Order: sequence, then C-alpha cells, then structure tokens
Amino acid sequence: QKEVEQNSGPLSVPEGAIASLNCTYSDRVSQSFFWYRQYSGKSPELIMSIYSNGDKEDGRFTAQLNKASQYVSLLIRDSQPSDSATYLCAVDTNTGNQFYFGTGTSLTVIP
Amino acid sequence: EPEVTQTPSHQVTQMGQEVILRCVPISNHLYFYWYRQILGQKVEFLVSFYNNEISEKSEIFDDQFSVERPDGSNFTLKIRSTKLEDSAMYFCASSEWGGGPYEQYFGPGTRLTVT
Repeated sequence: QKEVEQNSGPLSVPEGAIASLNCTYSDRVSQSFFWYRQYSGKSPELIMSIYSNGDKEDGRFTAQLNKASQYVSLLIRDSQPSDSATYLCAVDTNTGNQFYFGTGTSLTVIP
Repeated sequence: EPEVTQTPSHQVTQMGQEVILRCVPISNHLYFYWYRQILGQKVEFLVSFYNNEISEKSEIFDDQFSVERPDGSNFTLKIRSTKLEDSAMYFCASSEWGGGPYEQYFGPGTRLTVT
C-alpha cells in the first residue's frame, strides 16, 4: 500500500512568518511530487511541482525534495492570511497516471 | 487561463439511482482523471483515461462505475446504482500528458449527496 504521510496540524503561524509543511512517502519509485492548496469546500489547486532533488522556488513558495529520505517539503515565506488553507502533498505512481494524496496539513496564518 | 469545468456543482440522488457527473477537461489535455474526496478524508484516485480507454483504475472503481468520453469535449463518470457511501466530492482532473511528471489540474468538483 503506497502511503503519503503529512502532519494534519493545525499549523498556526503569524502573518509574515515562514510556514513549513512536510510530507513523507513510502514508494521509492515515485518520481514526481506536487503540492496542492485546498480551501474549505473547494478543489485542490496546484501550487508547485518538483521532480529533482534539491530546492525549487516559485515566488513565496519553495519546494524541497530528498528522494533518499523520501521526503518533500513546502516552505511559504511571508505568510499571508490568504494562505490559510489545507495543503495537500501528492505523489505519482510508477506509471505516473494516478496520484496518491496525503491527508493534508491545515495551515492558519494569524494576522 | 484554461480550466477544467464540472457540472452539476451539486447533485442529490436517492440510493439506487444512477447519476452521471460531467466534466470538460482543458482543451489540449490528453489524460483525464476522476478522484473523489469523502468529507474530512483525503483525495482518492478513481480512474485515469486516455485515448478513449481506461488507463488505470483503483479498487474503488468497481463495476458500478464507468467512464466515457461521449464527444470531443466531455468526459463523464457514471455511477449505476448509488449507495449512501458514494456521497462525496467528485473531482475531474486533466493533464497534458501522462505516464510521467505531468501536472494534473482539477475542476471545481461535484458534490454528490445520496439519500
């Protein structure tokens, strides 16, 4: 059974701080990793994708991948109240045709 | 910006009835997917579809489920005889390609309530 684990939270950070979200996965053959943001009652919205070890930055977001440790993280710099949402980690399978999602980490940014 | 659309946004049905959920994937995308999310639980893969046939399906996607691309734009999920436990948000997604590091874009979802 392929597993994607995330701390459910809730994670609370003050406005302007860095939020750090973590994800571990069980399937060593996974090659592609994605972070989605989901507001309550809404659909997952793609934030970042990362495929290679190391860091990938996009605006206030930085994804970090360590395949040896089977670990992927998302950093949100200068957190804003509008960042308050559940963040979902998604990992592909060896065929790449389906994603496994974690249960998500609930983030609250306090003004 | 192109987006995945889904109709209806909310569907209420009685147990045992058939429902069809509709999706219009992003126009140049070739792979289509259905996921579901039961309230408070994680997003779960149901099926992927490419070139007019199922590419992969999960254990959830049993004989009561079927998918179809009836024309050049729509992609549908049919649940033949709904059960109470089918109540969930159903998300359609599409990607430009599949079998590799291709990003999946989700539609707004259809909330299915089975009474």
